[in-house]
Amino acid sequence: GQNIDQPTEMTATEGAIVQINCTYQTSGFNGLFWYQQHAGEAPTFLSYNVLDGLEEKGRFSSFLSRSKGYSYLLLKELQMKDSASYLCAVRFVGTDKLIFGTGTRLQVFP
Amino acid sequence: DAGITQSPRHKVTETGTPVTLRCHQTENHRYMYWYRQDPGHGLRLIHYSYGVKDTDKGEVSDGYSVSRSKTEDFLLTLESATSSQTSVYFCAIRAHNSPLHFGNGTRLTVT
Repeated sequence: GQNIDQPTEMTATEGAIVQINCTYQTSGFNGLFWYQQHAGEAPTFLSYNVLDGLEEKGRFSSFLSRSKGYSYLLLKELQMKDSASYLCAVRFVGTDKLIFGTGTRLQVFP
Repeated sequence: DAGITQSPRHKVTETGTPVTLRCHQTENHRYMYWYRQDPGHGLRLIHYSYGVKDTDKGEVSDGYSVSRSKTEDFLLTLESATSSQTSVYFCAIRAHNSPLHFGNGTRLTVT
């Protein structure tokens, strides 16, 4: 199968740093995406990794290790508005499909 | 919302009735997708399209059909709705080598 695994829930404190992990089946890997989804809203695109390493975008960074089938999303200087679900999605070679993990619900507390 | 509109936004229907959800885009993107989102399952791909009249099945296609007769419209049909199809349905579009952009979703309740 194409199992994509992420923790179900995480909590953190405002101003802190949180790391959300995602693991996936490595066979046929062709890119990994992170999306943010606030309750009752549509997912919005955060980042894309296809090569190993770190991609930084302001307070958010995403890391990829293709050999380990592992990615993480790092959120720095957490704000209350970062309370949302974070979705990891993987594209596999030879397909136009994007397969999503079940998402990680992050709650940020004051 | 990247020029993507879903209709209706909310619908309540009875078991056994046919239902069609519409996704309309103004971006002229080649790829269009239908996902459903349920607690504990995340987003699951139902069907997708890679061009006019070109569609393929996703992970959970049973009970659903799609049609794409024009670039801008992708229709999802539940031939005979069941309670297990109560869900939030998201349409998404993308250009070549670009990320998905999602519509605002359709909340469907089958009673």
